[in-house]
Amino acid sequence: QITLKESGPTLVKPTQTLTLTCTFSGFSLSTSGVGVGWIRQPPGKALEWLGLIYWDDDKRYSPSLKNRITITKDTSKNQVVLTMTNMDPVDTATYYCAHRHVTRTGVATFDYWGQGTLVTVSS
Amino acid sequence: DIQMTQSPSSLSASVGDRVTVTCRASQSIGTYLNWYQQKPGKAPKLLIYAASSLESGVPSRFSGSGSGPDFTLTISSLQPEDFATYYCQQSYNTPWTFGQGTKVEVK
Repeated sequence: QITLKESGPTLVKPTQTLTLTCTFSGFSLSTSGVGVGWIRQPPGKALEWLGLIYWDDDKRYSPSLKNRITITKDTSKNQVVLTMTNMDPVDTATYYCAHRHVTRTGVATFDYWGQGTLVTVSS
Repeated sequence: DIQMTQSPSSLSASVGDRVTVTCRASQSIGTYLNWYQQKPGKAPKLLIYAASSLESGVPSRFSGSGSGPDFTLTISSLQPEDFATYYCQQSYNTPWTFGQGTKVEVK
């Protein structure tokens, strides 16, 4: 059974750096084809894809946030870490991590999600 | 980036109604299209992958169709637990992008 859970601060000040950890179980991030993604959702708004890290340590980031975010993995701890610099009130959102799965059709999806963690940016 | 446009943004329906949500990509994406359901305060749940394949455990009243730029999610007979927001998402290339969502509300 695959589970993921996000952890980190619920409140950060503007200009600070946010660090969120996704701790997962039920899969290994060293298995070919596997990935973990980060997605966020401002209150009352749509989902926004932030980035992905793959089993081979390849990484993809949202172009609009590329200069501010870094995703790393610790395979031995079953953790993925999202770091976002220079936080602003517009970054207030629920942040999700999710398991990237390549289906039998070859199409990739997020098939398992964490519960999400609300991060508020305010002074 | 590939833009995903859903319509309508919201709709009102009654239990038993047939509901259709559309999603259009800004370029051809083959069938690299997934649908998610999200209820308030909860994480999204995968319903349909590869445009028309039903995720395991999802009721058969949900179906998806389309390819290239135009896709459809259909709920054949709306049930009380189906009132939620639905998102399409492309995984044709990165950055993966989501539609703006369609909220299905009680009429």
